[in-house]
Amino acid sequence: AQTVTQSQPEMSVQEAETVTLSCTYDTSENNYYLFWYKQPPSRQMILVIRQEAYKQQNATENRFSVNFQKAAKSFSLKISDSQLGDTAMYFCAFMRPNAGNMLTFGGGTRLMVKP
Amino acid sequence: DTEVTQTPKHLVMGMTNKKSLKCEQHMGHRAMYWYKQKAKKPPELMFVYSYEKLSINESVPSRFSPECPNSSLLNLHLHALQPEDSALYLCASSHPTGLSYNEQFFGPGTRLTVL
Repeated sequence: AQTVTQSQPEMSVQEAETVTLSCTYDTSENNYYLFWYKQPPSRQMILVIRQEAYKQQNATENRFSVNFQKAAKSFSLKISDSQLGDTAMYFCAFMRPNAGNMLTFGGGTRLMVKP
Repeated sequence: DTEVTQTPKHLVMGMTNKKSLKCEQHMGHRAMYWYKQKAKKPPELMFVYSYEKLSINESVPSRFSPECPNSSLLNLHLHALQPEDSALYLCASSHPTGLSYNEQFFGPGTRLTVL
């Protein structure tokens, strides 16, 4: 079974600064997908970024980028130029292909961006 | 249309009531999911439908009864719930297993309170 661990229950960052959220996972699979989802206080879960395990290049989406270390089973999220709208719960998630697209979520990190 | 919609947004029901939650998507996704989410916790998978057939039931009590009338609609019928069933119920959809773009798109959720 896969497990996903987010070791930072809460974090805060000043507006315009950079913050990194940690995620580690445990799997014996070689092919899988990793995701970061954001859930603002309005509660809708939104996909932030995805990474295919077979790709060595780290995924980026505007101010969001990941540091994917496959050997270390680490998948951290970096948010640059933090904005007030980035305040949310962030969930790291693991998906094994051909297994019903089931997501295994980490426990979440609550991020507060301060003005 | 890249949206998953859920109705109602809020629902308060007694333990003897029967109610239904509704989820709809028009993205051509053939996999749909129900999750239960308690406060400050990650979503917990309840059911997965693939091509309108129930493919995964995560040992959910029979007082929760899912239904997938067609490829765009997913219902969750509720009967004789307990106060501990109070939670946010999230619906999600995705392309089926095996396709590369398989991330799940989430709806805004239904906040359920059982009195």
